[in-house]
Amino acid sequence: DTAVSQTPKYLVTQMGNDKSIKCEQNLGHDTMYWYKQDSKKFLKIMFSYNNKELIINETVPNRFSPKSPDKAHLNLHINSLELGDSAVYFCASSQGLETGQPQHFGDGTRLSIL
Amino acid sequence: QQPVQSPQAVILREGEDAVINCSSSKALYSVHWYRQKHGEAPVFLMILLKGGEQKGHEKISASFNEKKQQSSLYLTASQLSYSGTYFCGTDIGDYKLSFGAGTTVTVRA
Repeated sequence: DTAVSQTPKYLVTQMGNDKSIKCEQNLGHDTMYWYKQDSKKFLKIMFSYNNKELIINETVPNRFSPKSPDKAHLNLHINSLELGDSAVYFCASSQGLETGQPQHFGDGTRLSIL
Repeated sequence: QQPVQSPQAVILREGEDAVINCSSSKALYSVHWYRQKHGEAPVFLMILLKGGEQKGHEKISASFNEKKQQSSLYLTASQLSYSGTYFCGTDIGDYKLSFGAGTTVTVRA
């Protein structure tokens, strides 16, 4: 059983389009995250949710809108895609916000903008 | 806020040792270490907590110097499976991890 699953694994689309990425975790964790990893492998947090409540929003353009329908799911919708959005997007989860909780990552969604 | 990792890359032969360093400009609550293989997700290795507690499940050790705001990851008697990019993630008590730029480790037979 996959602990943190993301769909789709690959997303190739044109500039200006709108797309969504879905994430689900079956670990019973309270906290979920979205990270962006660029071509230089720099891993940067975008958002985090704890029990469906937005906790962190890291100066991400408002074209990116996360939604957490329940604590096991965190989706990411991106409007008006730009070339600079090309990256790998990772979803992750952890038991809580407390210090010392390991994060479990999904396999990533590779987004390519043409 | 991003921690500084060094070295950027290291090449080892099987059986050799290596040290990866992670340094923060801010006081740390904990330091996390993850390994990412090419095309895969980062995988948790270890957490080092303020106060000295250590959590991990790999045969890889680490240290945490709270005063110097530094952590080091020790790869001992490296195996081919140790190849990958190692990231430290630092927690300054703001409910998120800030990751370093990564250290690429290549272990050759």
